[in-house]
Amino acid sequence: DAGITQSPRHKVTETGTPVTLRCHQTENHRYMYWYRQDPGHGLRLIHYSYGVKDTDKGEVSDGYSVSRSKTEDFLLTLESATSSQTSVYFCAIRDTANTEAFFGQGTRLTVV
Amino acid sequence: GQNIDQPTEMTATEGAIVQINCTYQTSGFNGLFWYQQHAGEAPTFLSYNVLDGLEEKGRFSSFLSRSKGYSYLLLKELQMKDSASYLCAHMDSNYQLIWGAGTKLIIKP
Repeated sequence: DAGITQSPRHKVTETGTPVTLRCHQTENHRYMYWYRQDPGHGLRLIHYSYGVKDTDKGEVSDGYSVSRSKTEDFLLTLESATSSQTSVYFCAIRDTANTEAFFGQGTRLTVV
Repeated sequence: GQNIDQPTEMTATEGAIVQINCTYQTSGFNGLFWYQQHAGEAPTFLSYNVLDGLEEKGRFSSFLSRSKGYSYLLLKELQMKDSASYLCAHMDSNYQLIWGAGTKLIIKP
């Protein structure tokens, strides 16, 4: 199994608070992604990174920011959490742009 | 625009064969992936097709027709552990993965 871990695995937070989710990989893969998964929707890309300090927006980036200061860590921050951001968040890594993605175990976030 | 469709839910019997279809529309195409996701778990990679035809991998096979924008995942000799959601995703011209909503497969004894 690919070495990719997410933390925390579960979190409940209040509306308006900032939240940071962490993705850590030990595979030295160049590409890292944050997705959210909601019932009735496919995985939707929030942000991705193609190298240290190189990030770009996905289709649902509003309200989220990311940082990648070293190869192994990719952080997702909800600047001011809202109830619409209640979701399961998955981090994924890819070695090259056209290979399969490996996923972390997910973070279940509830905003109350 | 880009779109990808698959049935929401399917039911099959243990020991039988099931085919899960996926259709897509895209302005650029670099391959199609299938993933399996058990409830509460992460998606795991099953197959990748970039050329037309059938790729067989044990009990699972995946087919692609680029001209028709169509793929299917074929599961043979179904086992109870195959109860899961099956996600298809195509890779667009920017190598980003565009995901379907997933097909929940229910296996009955």
